[in-house]
Amino acid sequence: DIQMTQSPSSVSASVGDRVTITCRASQGFSSWLAWYQQKPGKAPKLLIFAASSLQSGVPSRFSGSGSGTDFTLTISSLQPEDFATYYCQQANSFPITFGQGTRLEMK
Amino acid sequence: EVQLVESGGGLIQPGGSLRLSCTVSGFTVSTSYMSWVRQAPGKGLEWVSVIYIGGSTYYADSVKGRFTISRDTSKNTFYLQMNSLRAEDTAVYYCARGGELPNPFDYWGQGTLVTVSS
Repeated sequence: DIQMTQSPSSVSASVGDRVTITCRASQGFSSWLAWYQQKPGKAPKLLIFAASSLQSGVPSRFSGSGSGTDFTLTISSLQPEDFATYYCQQANSFPITFGQGTRLEMK
Repeated sequence: EVQLVESGGGLIQPGGSLRLSCTVSGFTVSTSYMSWVRQAPGKGLEWVSVIYIGGSTYYADSVKGRFTISRDTSKNTFYLQMNSLRAEDTAVYYCARGGELPNPFDYWGQGTLVTVSS
């Protein structure tokens, strides 16, 4: 199984800040990584797929990069609605696995 | 508009069975890959199962042999039959479109809570 490890587990930031979340895979693979945003009591929302492709309707302040074992999600200028938990997910092989999540909190 | 609506959750005793349903509108389940993903209280996301367009199914090791995914194309609905339930199966269960490698989960339901407790 491919284990996905996110860092940090939580981060405090302010509106307007640039934030980067990292996801590391236990085995290397191509670009088949997705990022999701989840707010309390809500379903996850797809932000990025294939490591760097922005899902339709997602603001351009979100971007993704990486391949192999190291991937990143960057929010270029935090907005109030971005405070949430973020998950990475590998879609390279079964079982599909998620990172443990990164909680983005307001400073 | 795409909508996925789960139902069937509730409180069940250990060892019991439950069937979750996910009714879809806005696309057809017969031409889509459909999955179940769960989230234990206060925990992260765990993929559970997927059913492919051709009918192939895949499961997480934690549920293999106990859970069965299926679909009824006439009702545009898919299901998760859960048997031999354990306390560790307690979670919010989400249905989602996707799960075929290498594509992501692009549409999700609102989730249904399953609580396994005596």
